[in-house]
Amino acid sequence: VQLVESGGGLVQPGGSLRLSCTASGFTFSSFDMNWVRQAPGKGLEWVSYISSSGDTIYYGDSVKGRFTVSRDNAKNSLYLQMNSLRAEDTAVYYCARDPGDCSSTSCPPGDLDVWGQGTTVTVSS
Amino acid sequence: SYVLTQPPSVSVAPGKTARITCGGNDIGTKSVHWYQQKPGQAPVLVIYYDNDRPSGIPERFSGSNSGNTATLTISRVEAGDEADYYCQVWHSSNNHVVFGGGTKLTVL
Repeated sequence: VQLVESGGGLVQPGGSLRLSCTASGFTFSSFDMNWVRQAPGKGLEWVSYISSSGDTIYYGDSVKGRFTVSRDNAKNSLYLQMNSLRAEDTAVYYCARDPGDCSSTSCPPGDLDVWGQGTTVTVSS
Repeated sequence: SYVLTQPPSVSVAPGKTARITCGGNDIGTKSVHWYQQKPGQAPVLVIYYDNDRPSGIPERFSGSNSGNTATLTISRVEAGDEADYYCQVWHSSNNHVVFGGGTKLTVL
């Protein structure tokens, strides 16, 4: 079971970047996914959630309207399109799996049991 | 927005018990998850749905949740437990995942 992020790098303020997360070792299409970021020396900040089918999406307030999450279940891949980037978006970006292990038949977003190693995004001129 | 409050730091001697709190309005009505993060590494889930342990997590890790406070308890603390710990909930009122600010556990 593994998640591998890619696509990070240095980008100027106002620029765009697309992150990818490739899953292996599990049936990707059965799991909801999240993006979580961590600015240098700071705590974890949730960025976005997407359901297994892609029909339910949520965003954190700081990225709503600028970031777009999507997935391609045929390619076992999760994406984060980041536009209008700001210095405060500088962070390590993690993708994380939601196992859907609540006691109900339909689970709200819950715990994150598998995380990637992260990809670093630096927004600077 | 929903806020989770954690103490910035907790210190404990080896072999003793560490308790890390996570405060939030009526957090006892929510499901709380806890993560351990060591420097340069991705977070690791250590407690989910208040008090369940993923496979591979020692029984020394336990959780509780009631009222306005959730607690992660680490018994018989070891040097290898030194890390940052984060609590997390789902806030359905605005469809947000919320993390606490994190607590740095220092083993003396």
